[in-house]
Amino acid sequence: AQSVAQPEDQVNVAEGNPLTVKCTYSVSGNPYLFWYVQYPNRGLQFLLKYITGDNLVKGSYGFEAEFNKSQTSFHLKKPSALVSDSALYFCAVRHQMGFGNEKLTFGTGTRLTIIP
Amino acid sequence: NAGVTQTPKFRILKIGQSMTLQCTQDMNHNYMYWYRQDPGMGLKLIYYSVGAGITDKGEVPNGYNVSRSTTEDFPLRLELAAPSQTSVYFCASSTGQLRETQYFGPGTRLLVL
Repeated sequence: AQSVAQPEDQVNVAEGNPLTVKCTYSVSGNPYLFWYVQYPNRGLQFLLKYITGDNLVKGSYGFEAEFNKSQTSFHLKKPSALVSDSALYFCAVRHQMGFGNEKLTFGTGTRLTIIP
Repeated sequence: NAGVTQTPKFRILKIGQSMTLQCTQDMNHNYMYWYRQDPGMGLKLIYYSVGAGITDKGEVPNGYNVSRSTTEDFPLRLELAAPSQTSVYFCASSTGQLRETQYFGPGTRLLVL
């Protein structure tokens, strides 16, 4: 069965420092991996995705993620954190349930807090 | 471009009451989804639809029903509300291709007392 794990419920980072939000996955076949961000009282917003090609994927708001097939990981990173990056982050993997039916499996989320 | 819209934003229900959560998208997406988000649990898929007239169950369909009469609309029906259905509900849509992004609505917060 396909699954996504976000091992940290909470990550605290000082403003200006680099940040990493961890994600590992388990899926049969080639993974399609996504990061979403959720600000308070808002829906999920797409940040970036890995489909194929370069292992380093660049996305919105200066975020990037590194796909590592051998470690089955897709960690989210940013070189210099902003207070406005404080939010709930979800990793997700896309896979096919059957012909024409695809499903997005989410991790449990990591709350990122940037400390001024 | 409105994207995915949901109504209402917040609702309080008594046990046993019924209600319909509305979802509309204006991106001409074939695929639409309903998720519920519980604290610390991520998002769970309730129902999904691959096109008008076609719906199927997700991971947690019990207590819910859906219909898809048009491409744009995908309402979620709660027939007999229970406290376990207290949650935040998100509607999403996509083109359906694996590599494409799902777009989410702002959510409906439901409290069943």
